Amino acid sequence: GESVGLHLPTLSVQEGDNSIINCAYSNSASDYFIWYKQESGKGPQFIIDIRSNMDKRQGQRVTVLLNKTVKHLSLQIAATQPGDSAVYFCAELGGSGGSNYKLTFGKGTLLTVNP
Amino acid sequence: GAGVSQSPSNKVTEKGKDVELRCDPISGHTALYWYRQSLGQGLEFLIYFQGNSAPDKSGLPSDRFSAERTGGSVSTLTIQRTQQEDSAVYLCASSLLTSPGPEAFFGQGTRLTVV
Repeated sequence: GESVGLHLPTLSVQEGDNSIINCAYSNSASDYFIWYKQESGKGPQFIIDIRSNMDKRQGQRVTVLLNKTVKHLSLQIAATQPGDSAVYFCAELGGSGGSNYKLTFGKGTLLTVNP
Repeated sequence: GAGVSQSPSNKVTEKGKDVELRCDPISGHTALYWYRQSLGQGLEFLIYFQGNSAPDKSGLPSDRFSAERTGGSVSTLTIQRTQQEDSAVYLCASSLLTSPGPEAFFGQGTRLTVV
C-alpha cells in the first residue's frame, strides 16, 4: 500500500483476481477522500470518493473503505481487468487549515494486471 | 472541447529560458487548479483560481513561478529562468464547484524537461 511520504509501491495481480490498494493518511482533520486512477500519459481520473462520516462506499467494481481510527483508506477492485493497470492515488481534503479545494495526494501505487 | 486541454503536451527547454504552459478548462468551470507531478511522485498543489482571482498561491515553489487566468477561462502558468528541478508534469484541473470531487477533471498535462 501507499502512504504520503513513502516510495511508489507496486502491486501485480492476475486478471480476474481482486486487488486491494492501501493508503495511510496523516491528517485526522481530513474529511473527504478521493481515489484517482492515472494511466500513462494521462491526467488523474476520478474513481470514487468517501466522506469521513462513512466507512464504506461502493461503486461499479470498486469499494472504498475508510478507517478513521487508524487513518487508513483502501481501494478494492473486484475482478481486476488489464484495463485497470495504472497508478492509483489517494487524495485527502479538508485537513489542517480547513481548505476545501487543496487536495493532498499520496505518491501512488502502480497496479499491473497480468492477463 | 469536452475536456480540459493543456498545451503543449511536451516541452523541452534550456536551463535559464522562460516557458509558458497553457490550460483550457471545461467551459463554465469557475474553479481551476494547477498541480505539479515529479517523476514517481504524487501531485503537488501549486495554485487555485476562482474565476480570474487566485486566492491561494501558496504552492508556487518560488517567485520564478506565476500564473494568471483571463476571462474566467484560459490559464497560463509561467516559469521564468527555468531550472532542472522544474522538470515535471504540470497538470491543470477545473471544476464547476469550488471543492474538487467527481465534477473536477484533469487535463493530460504538460511534460516539461529542462536540459
